[in-house]
Amino acid sequence: NAGVTQTPKFQVLKTGQSMTLQCAQDMNHNSMYWYRQDPGMGLRLIYYSASEGTTDKGEVPNGYNVSRLNKREFSLRLESAAPSQTSVYFCASSLQQGAKGNTIYFGEGSWLTVV
Amino acid sequence: GIQVEQSPPDLILQEGANSTLRCNFSDSVNNLQWFHQNPWGQLINLFYIPSGTKQNGRLSATTVATERYSLLYISSSQTTDSGVYFCAVGPMNRDDKIIFGKGTRLHILP
Repeated sequence: NAGVTQTPKFQVLKTGQSMTLQCAQDMNHNSMYWYRQDPGMGLRLIYYSASEGTTDKGEVPNGYNVSRLNKREFSLRLESAAPSQTSVYFCASSLQQGAKGNTIYFGEGSWLTVV
Repeated sequence: GIQVEQSPPDLILQEGANSTLRCNFSDSVNNLQWFHQNPWGQLINLFYIPSGTKQNGRLSATTVATERYSLLYISSSQTTDSGVYFCAVGPMNRDDKIIFGKGTRLHILP
């Protein structure tokens, strides 16, 4: 039982390049999330998915797209990377939205640098 | 949207001291969690506590939902408690949209 797995762990991109961050969970969770963490800013929600086939914008969605490929996988795509997207990205999942005991579990993070 | 404020932003304590971290939120919530981020960046869930009080070893948490705040207590601090503590909430009308505060950075000196 690996929990939430993100790849890649580290990536350097040039401005304008595109890339996809992959996330998979093996806990049969319904909800999945993408956050970014910048120094002094806490974690900010980019996109989330309440269930397979649905996605919603979070606090900072501009410049990103997501795909909930199936119940296990939720990917984050940067179409044209900008230096402002240099950050640590965390994927997370939870059993169900709004349910009691709806604990969120995080992946280990992906360090992205855009030069 | 809902605002989440944590205080203090930074806290430096000697090993063995007790501490209280606070989380204020601007709207009713259906979901409140506390997390610890260790110095290696790993995020660990400490409590799911939208209301009431829970305890787990040296840590305990209390949420007073009607007054829109939650407190995290750490007793007899150890150096391994160092890191950043985050409060995260899901507002009542959109409890699927989990929003984080900016965190309290705790440094425990040996």
